Amino acid sequence: GAVVSQHPSRVICKSGTSVKIECRSLDFQATTMFWYRQFPKQSLMLMATSNEGSKATYEQGVEKDKFLINHASLTLSTLTVTSAHPEDSSFYICSARDLEGTEAFFGQGTRLTVV
Amino acid sequence: AQSVTQLGSHVSVSEGALVLLRCNYSSSVPPYLFWYVQYPNQGLQLLLKYTTGATLVKGINGFEAEFKKSETSFHLTKPSAHMSDAAEYFCAVSDGANSKLTFGKGITLSVRP
Repeated sequence: GAVVSQHPSRVICKSGTSVKIECRSLDFQATTMFWYRQFPKQSLMLMATSNEGSKATYEQGVEKDKFLINHASLTLSTLTVTSAHPEDSSFYICSARDLEGTEAFFGQGTRLTVV
Repeated sequence: AQSVTQLGSHVSVSEGALVLLRCNYSSSVPPYLFWYVQYPNQGLQLLLKYTTGATLVKGINGFEAEFKKSETSFHLTKPSAHMSDAAEYFCAVSDGANSKLTFGKGITLSVRP
């Protein structure tokens, strides 16, 4: 199956700083990528849909100025958490749909801890 | 709007026993249905999916699921549990290709020796 690589797997940052998470489709082109947030023992909550070459579509309640998404190429989408606060600490997961769009492949996730 | 219901938060079975994880969905259009497995601090791995065609779908690691439109269900089964099956399982629905996934809240499967 297709591979989605997410980096870094873990990051610790200080409050007020920004953190960038990368999501790459390694062996296929992904016009659409999705960013999720997962709290402990909970399900995945969709944050935004990232479309190559256009602005991301954010879900209701997600601050677009805080969670900046860039999808500059068909294989790379980035999520930048700006001015991070401890409440932003979470597990962030990206996914990309294959060309047929019938299957979503997930990255390994990024554990963000803001101290 | 779509939704997924996974009743209960935890299922415990003995090694070698039948695994049954329930999933019911709500969708206004013919759904695409998925089961994913997640191990601690990892992303999600697709177990199986239903898009069209045969309603009994076989996936990896011996899992299978049956799409029952009349019951709006997509329950996941495995005849014989293995210790390595212990993980978090998520059922998800989308309303077609390239559409976003809506996940259930997940269920933790424990396997007793």
